[in-house]
Amino acid sequence: DAKTTQPPSMDCAEGRAANLPCNHSTISGNEYVYWYRQIHSQGPQYIIHGLKNNETNEMASLIITEDRKSSTLILPHATLRDTAVYYCMRLMEYGNKLVFGAGTILRVKS
Amino acid sequence: KAGVTQTPRYLIKTRGQQVTLSCSPISGHRSVSWYQQTPGQGLQFLFEYFSETQRNKGNFPGRFSGRQFSNSRSEMNVSTLELGDSALYLCASSWGRVGQGAYEQYFGPGTRLTVT
Repeated sequence: DAKTTQPPSMDCAEGRAANLPCNHSTISGNEYVYWYRQIHSQGPQYIIHGLKNNETNEMASLIITEDRKSSTLILPHATLRDTAVYYCMRLMEYGNKLVFGAGTILRVKS
Repeated sequence: KAGVTQTPRYLIKTRGQQVTLSCSPISGHRSVSWYQQTPGQGLQFLFEYFSETQRNKGNFPGRFSGRQFSNSRSEMNVSTLELGDSALYLCASSWGRVGQGAYEQYFGPGTRLTVT
């Protein structure tokens, strides 16, 4: 199964770190983990991706476990504008397409 | 750099009609993928075009088709519209073929199609 498992929803206080988990226990060795988010009625926005090592960019950090069976997206200082649906995806090795699951609804509250 | 643009943004059609949606990728991007988003099924992959050739296709009926032009712009066509085709249609572009390198896809704002 190519899908990932994410909690359906999470709450986070404004200014605190938001840690969004993702389980991808059947991921193969050369499949990347991608994170996107979608704010209501807009197209999904690319956040970050990684293979084995932890990654950081201006938006977020991605922590991938050593066995690659799970990962965590970290938004270091969540703001109200980070309220969105966050999708964790595996890039299928030969599929050349993004497979979106149900995602996690992150609600940032003041 | 301009983002991915899609036209029109909103469209209302009647059952049985056909519709053509347009997507202009980010300059320099050669791959264009199309997705359908509905409340019930979520985001589903339709097809991917690269160098004017369809490279990959999702599980949609033949009524859904597309093409890509030499300037990488892409169109998607849906014939014999059904009520269930009402959805947000999203286009995404990337520099290379997703799957043959870690190329991220950038999405447009989508076209909201309503079939009555």
